[in-house]
Amino acid sequence: AQSVTQLDSHVSVSEGTPVLLRCNYSSSYSPSLFWYVQHPNKGLQLLLKYTSAATLVKGINGFEAEFKKSETSFHLTKPSAHMSDAAEYFCVVSDSGTASKLTFGTGTRLQVTL
Amino acid sequence: DTEVTQTPKHLVMGMTNKKSLKCEQHMGHRAMYWYKQKAKKPPELMFVYSYEKLSINESVPSRFSPECPNSSLLNLHLHALQPEDSALYLCASSQGKSMNTEAFFGQGTRLTVV
Repeated sequence: AQSVTQLDSHVSVSEGTPVLLRCNYSSSYSPSLFWYVQHPNKGLQLLLKYTSAATLVKGINGFEAEFKKSETSFHLTKPSAHMSDAAEYFCVVSDSGTASKLTFGTGTRLQVTL
Repeated sequence: DTEVTQTPKHLVMGMTNKKSLKCEQHMGHRAMYWYKQKAKKPPELMFVYSYEKLSINESVPSRFSPECPNSSLLNLHLHALQPEDSALYLCASSQGKSMNTEAFFGQGTRLTVV
């Protein structure tokens, strides 16, 4: 069975400072991992994905994530937060060998202050 | 074109009404999904269609009836809903059921049942 734990329900940073959103996963297989962002009353937009290629994945809008198998982690980072980054972020896992069934974390709300 | 288009964006319906949500994609994807998202919660999978056939039904009440008329279209027919069915309904698509393919989400339909 697969599961995802997002360690922080809410993160607040100042504009221009680094962002770290933490995600740990559990998977019986070699997983695919994704980060999605959701702005208020909007759909989900894919930020980046890991699919067993490079462990450091670069995404859109300056975000990146590092897959660490030994720590079962897939934390999302950005060097410098922008006001427009304020949103809900979901870490998502998909197991190998299953139908395309995504397991979502509970989400982390990122607040960016001036 | 990397868009999943959902209509309507907002819908208010009475408990005795019949309405339909529509979803369209032109990316050649063969898997399409319906998700339900309550406020401050992650999306929950409702249905998966693969090659226009229903592949997964996550024990969704029969008052929700999905339909996939062709590979580009996905509908969700609603009848005799309850106020607790009020939520954001998200449609998504992916290349196929297998892993390593990300899901693309629409902007959602905000449904209010009165």
